[in-house]
Amino acid sequence: GEDVEQSLFLSVREGDSSVINCTYTDSSSTYLYWYKQEPGAGLQLLTYIFSNMDMKQDQRLTVLLNKKDKHLSLRIADTQTGDSAIYFCAVNPPSEKLTFGTGTRLTIIP
Amino acid sequence: EAGVVQSPRYKIIEKKQPVAFWCNPISGHNTLYWYRQNLGQGPELLIRYENEEAVDDSQLPKDRFSAERLKGVDSTLKIQPAELGDSAVYLCASSLGQINEKLFFGSGTQLSVL
Repeated sequence: GEDVEQSLFLSVREGDSSVINCTYTDSSSTYLYWYKQEPGAGLQLLTYIFSNMDMKQDQRLTVLLNKKDKHLSLRIADTQTGDSAIYFCAVNPPSEKLTFGTGTRLTIIP
Repeated sequence: EAGVVQSPRYKIIEKKQPVAFWCNPISGHNTLYWYRQNLGQGPELLIRYENEEAVDDSQLPKDRFSAERLKGVDSTLKIQPAELGDSAVYLCASSLGQINEKLFFGSGTQLSVL
């Protein structure tokens, strides 16, 4: 089955950029996703990228996809305290279930 | 528009007791999912419904877990009997069921088995 890996923790100073990384094993996913989970809440879809794209920008969010290295990243510009959460990447190989990574807990340092 | 609604929010039970979780998906979403999220991990799929039909229940421990989705709308997930290792957050999600599966999650039910 698909294996999706992420670093567990990331600390960033308020106002700096955050970069959250994800690696996966199955390169056949059509879409790759980033979800955000705030304390005590379910997951919220932040953004996604189609597999034939290298980059997608949505306001403060930039998604980079390197299919050769099977690497996905999420960059959050001008990180704010409200960005504190756990971020999950997820991949969706054809005919297989959506598989989530272990999540990266983003902590903002004032 | 209301999101995915789950109840109860929290549940504490003793081992060997039964427990049930309820989910009301977003109106018009044909696909419904139950996930289990253990502490410090990502969600893992337990079962996926397309309307009333369970199309993927390969990860559901069928000896103690059961689920139903009557009339293709609300769903319940049951555990009987519960074990200590079942302590987790149980998340329900729904989607339109298209190739780009944008899932919308409920807030989850946090289960503690003592």
